[in-house]
Amino acid sequence: DTAVSQTPKYLVTQMGNDKSIKCEQNLGHDTMYWYKQDSKKFLKIMFSYNNKELIINETVPNRFSPKSPDKAHLNLHINSLELGDSAVYFCASSPYRGGQGSLETQYFGPGTRLLVL
Amino acid sequence: AQSVTQLGSHVSVSEGALVLLRCNYSSSVPPYLFWYVQYPNQGLQLLLKYTSAATLVKGINGFEAEFKKSETSFHLTKPSAHMSDAAEYFCAVSARSGGYQKVTFGIGTKLQVIP
Repeated sequence: DTAVSQTPKYLVTQMGNDKSIKCEQNLGHDTMYWYKQDSKKFLKIMFSYNNKELIINETVPNRFSPKSPDKAHLNLHINSLELGDSAVYFCASSPYRGGQGSLETQYFGPGTRLLVL
Repeated sequence: AQSVTQLGSHVSVSEGALVLLRCNYSSSVPPYLFWYVQYPNQGLQLLLKYTSAATLVKGINGFEAEFKKSETSFHLTKPSAHMSDAAEYFCAVSARSGGYQKVTFGIGTKLQVIP
């Protein structure tokens, strides 16, 4: 039933480790996103994929590498984790309708709470 | 470039009182504007969106927002606050980036409802 799901929900790890977060949507959407929400609740776009193709790549360290094996999945791999990576990471998806691409509602997953110690 | 400014990171209202959450936007093209709500430990969900069809937009849970181009504002209102409205509210502006959608969120306003 869940439209956008993320695993794991919580992730506690040591500095320097490598970790992955997975995201799946069953809404049939073409576009998926990764957002980072910091401790002050500020929400910032990291990446966006449309039909497995990277279309938005904001200024994000190259330790972060998204991968989209198919249009229903968008995973986020993080190498050499740092303290500043601690945040809530949200996956979202939206339909893509060509010229109406600015109107679409984004559907968010429940978030993955990452704590780097 | 586009941006959103939410005035007041915390707003407290009494139950039954008017809710007013302020949002001003900046956009070089006609904007598409959204209000999302985030309940504790959950993801964001859409409250309402402005798509140029009507300046007064009605959303879920009794919320509405009015687009005022002259004031570059899209304030969110609800006539009577309910305890269940306590949450974080995000205003967002959307524009095309290379033919695709790029959404910029405000910093959020935490709404506290006092019994």
